[in-house]
Amino acid sequence: DTTVKQNPRYKLARVGKPVNLICSQTMNHDTMYWYQKKPNQAPKLLLFYYDKILNREADTFEKFQSSRPNNSFCSLYIGSAGLEYSAMYLCASSATGTANTEVFFGKGTRLTVV
Amino acid sequence: QQKVQQSPESLTVSEGAMASLNCTFSDGTSNNFRWYRQHSAKGLEVLVSIFSDGEKEEGRFTAHLNRANLHVSLHIREPQPSDSAVYLCAVSMRPGGYKVVFGSGTRLLVSP
Repeated sequence: DTTVKQNPRYKLARVGKPVNLICSQTMNHDTMYWYQKKPNQAPKLLLFYYDKILNREADTFEKFQSSRPNNSFCSLYIGSAGLEYSAMYLCASSATGTANTEVFFGKGTRLTVV
Repeated sequence: QQKVQQSPESLTVSEGAMASLNCTFSDGTSNNFRWYRQHSAKGLEVLVSIFSDGEKEEGRFTAHLNRANLHVSLHIREPQPSDSAVYLCAVSMRPGGYKVVFGSGTRLLVSP
């Protein structure tokens, strides 16, 4: 199974409330990523886990948290949602064994903050 | 910091005419290049991956990579209206983990 699963597909959240998005893969990939995609913009890397090591991008460092309790699961956590968090959130995974590794994307979770 | 830029921002072609999309990147040590397609409200669909200079064909999609010129292109042969979508260039490198940076996309419209 080469699919990356994301739950839920759609999420409605209130301003100021926390949001937790879930991603899973069963390919035994060592790296899992979270991207934020807004309309007419490139997917923006928020953070990625390489094995148990969390790497957060400098400009989103304060806004997003993540956990990876085991190799298969990775969550994205927003402590207090703001309107600017409304976007599609894409999870991806890859194995870093070779330079030619494939990156697999999930279908995304569309988050709407109201 | 890797920068990936795509051109043109939008492109309209007639059905059956070749469509050509361009992507430039800033880090010459990048080793992994992909073209994705996103139909609105859907996930990303990988079209072609290329890892060494030259050409790689996947069906009607052909990628050309010239690492010396920091350039990778996508050519779509005989495009159809169903190919209308946003096309994203993705460039990867391995700084101990595997970081993928995307361009902002080219919106392709194929008119019948």
